[in-house]
Amino acid sequence: KQEVTQIPAALSVPEGENLVLNCSFTDSAIYNLQWFRQDPGKGLTSLLLIQSSQREQTSGRLNASLDKSSGRSTLYIAASQPGDSATYLCAVLGSQMNRDDKIIFGKGTRLHILP
Amino acid sequence: NAGVTQTPKFQVLKTGQSMTLQCAQDMNHEYMSWYRQDPGMGLRLIHYSVGAGITDQGEVPNGYNVSRSTTEDFPLRLLSAAPSQTSVYFCASSRLGDGDNEQFFGPGTRLTVL
Repeated sequence: KQEVTQIPAALSVPEGENLVLNCSFTDSAIYNLQWFRQDPGKGLTSLLLIQSSQREQTSGRLNASLDKSSGRSTLYIAASQPGDSATYLCAVLGSQMNRDDKIIFGKGTRLHILP
Repeated sequence: NAGVTQTPKFQVLKTGQSMTLQCAQDMNHEYMSWYRQDPGMGLRLIHYSVGAGITDQGEVPNGYNVSRSTTEDFPLRLLSAAPSQTSVYFCASSRLGDGDNEQFFGPGTRLTVL
């Protein structure tokens, strides 16, 4: 059974620092992996989707990498800003074509950028 | 595109009442799903659909019904609300089968059952 873990559960860093958020999964046979951010009281906003054949994706100050063989993905945030404060979730995506091949979410890392 | 929309944003029910949470998407996505999010429990799948007329149960389906009569809409019905159903409910949609199943989420419905 696929399990997704995000460590640490919470992280505080000073503004301007580069930082890395971690996501690990137990079964390397994944379809895709997706990173989200969630602001308090809001829905999930998609940040990056990494397809299983890709090693990384970039969007602005964000870079997500995927290493299926080691069961890891990282989200790198460059030059952090107070507006980056949010909870970041990763999700391992199955093909969704049957009940046993769906989406497993981590519980998230709560990030606080100190001004 | 409006993306994924959900109504209402907030709802308070009494135990035993029924209601329907609405979800709609305008991206012609085949896959739609409902989750509930509770502190310490993360996101849990309630029901999902891979197309009009096709629904299936997720991890926590008891007390909830769904139907999918059109591609765009996927309502979630609470049959007889219980305090244990107090939660934040999210609807999501995505494409199927072509390698790009990026998930798009709605803004959520915050439900309190008294």
